[in-house]
Amino acid sequence: NAGVTQTPKFQVLKTGQSMTLQCAQDMNHEYMSWYRQDPGMGLRLIHYSVGAGITDQGEVPNGYNVSRSTTEDFPLRLLSAAPSQTSVYFCASRSNRDPGNTIYFGEGSWLTVV
Amino acid sequence: GQQVMQIPQYQHVQEGEDFTTYCNSSTTLSNIQWYKQRPGGHPVFLIQLVKSGEVKKQKRLTFQFGEAKKNSSLHITATQTTDVGTYFCADSNQAGTALIFGKGTTLSVSS
Repeated sequence: NAGVTQTPKFQVLKTGQSMTLQCAQDMNHEYMSWYRQDPGMGLRLIHYSVGAGITDQGEVPNGYNVSRSTTEDFPLRLLSAAPSQTSVYFCASRSNRDPGNTIYFGEGSWLTVV
Repeated sequence: GQQVMQIPQYQHVQEGEDFTTYCNSSTTLSNIQWYKQRPGGHPVFLIQLVKSGEVKKQKRLTFQFGEAKKNSSLHITATQTTDVGTYFCADSNQAGTALIFGKGTTLSVSS
């Protein structure tokens, strides 16, 4: 199993550009989430999904869109990048059948908006 | 909104000293999870606590859940340089569908 795979690992964008961060998991997990991590701010929840076709907003959803057309994939879209979106982005997944509620994280995507 | 507060934000210790980080909430927590993130890495699940007063150990790490389920702690005995990183506590959102993280405690260890 590959676990949670994020691409790209590094990306530089110009202000106003759009891009999609890809996230895929091969563990048949129902729950998937996107977090951003900034110095001193910890991990903040952007959007999450409890299953295919279902998404919901987290703590900091503005400027980001998500979709969940399949169980495996949960892409995060930046429609018009802003410097404030410079951050490290983590995708995560877990099974709702796991009593331990273990969350598995991808290795992160480092995004710089100039 | 729901929030877990972690203290301290930073801690530096000499190798061999003990270390403790605390996680506090103004509301009752359904459960608490702890994660470790090495520098440049991604968060890795350590443990979940569910029961009031629960204490769990993993080698030199001791995790505790308060009796009122409003606080938790992670204690490391005799720190090693491999313990360096940021430790996060996390609570489930109200629907139990996602985790809300504290801001973390960053531990540095000098040998």
